[in-house]
Amino acid sequence: AQSVTQLDSQVPVFEEAPVELRCNYSSSVSVYLFWYVQYPNQGLQLLLKYLSGSTLVKGINGFEAEFNKSQTSFHLRKPSVHISDTAEYFCAVSEIDGQNFVFGPGTRLSVLP
Amino acid sequence: EAGVTQFPSHSVIEKGQTVTLRCDPISGHDNLYWYRRVMGKEIKFLLHFVKESKQDESGMPNNRFLAERTGGTYSTLKVQPAELEDSGVYFCASSRNRDSYGYTFGSGTRLTVV
Repeated sequence: AQSVTQLDSQVPVFEEAPVELRCNYSSSVSVYLFWYVQYPNQGLQLLLKYLSGSTLVKGINGFEAEFNKSQTSFHLRKPSVHISDTAEYFCAVSEIDGQNFVFGPGTRLSVLP
Repeated sequence: EAGVTQFPSHSVIEKGQTVTLRCDPISGHDNLYWYRRVMGKEIKFLLHFVKESKQDESGMPNNRFLAERTGGTYSTLKVQPAELEDSGVYFCASSRNRDSYGYTFGSGTRLTVV
């Protein structure tokens, strides 16, 4: 079984500042890793995913995440945020031969002017 | 291509009533998934269809929930009778292949049971 921890439930940050949203996971098997975003009144949208290869993954809207196997982490970063990045961000894992996601509780990012 | 469509977008019902949520997957996607997020909790897997067959329904919370996918196209999720703790957002997703990195999620149905 897998579990996902997102320690920060809310992250306020000023516009143009950098941000890091933390994600740690626990699994007894190898997993794929994902970040999803939910903008207000919208569905879940895939930001980026790690399947294999380079541990630094680049996604949409300038976001990137780094897979650290020894620390079982997959933190999401953006060097300069915009007001439009205000949303809730979900980290998720999936077993490599599995078909379902296990999601973290979400981090609500608020970008302040 | 059109995305995953869910309706209604919002539903408010009284405890004890019945509600049916509908999901139209992307055309050609054999795999259809239901997830839900109850208030303040994680998004959790409910079940997975491959065409019209239930591949995995291990996440269904109890027998008040009934999911169907007639003809392998759209799917419905019925809650009967609804309880207060069923309030939350119900997400549907679909994928062409049997893997976890081809999901497309719908916008969700926000269910409020009063």
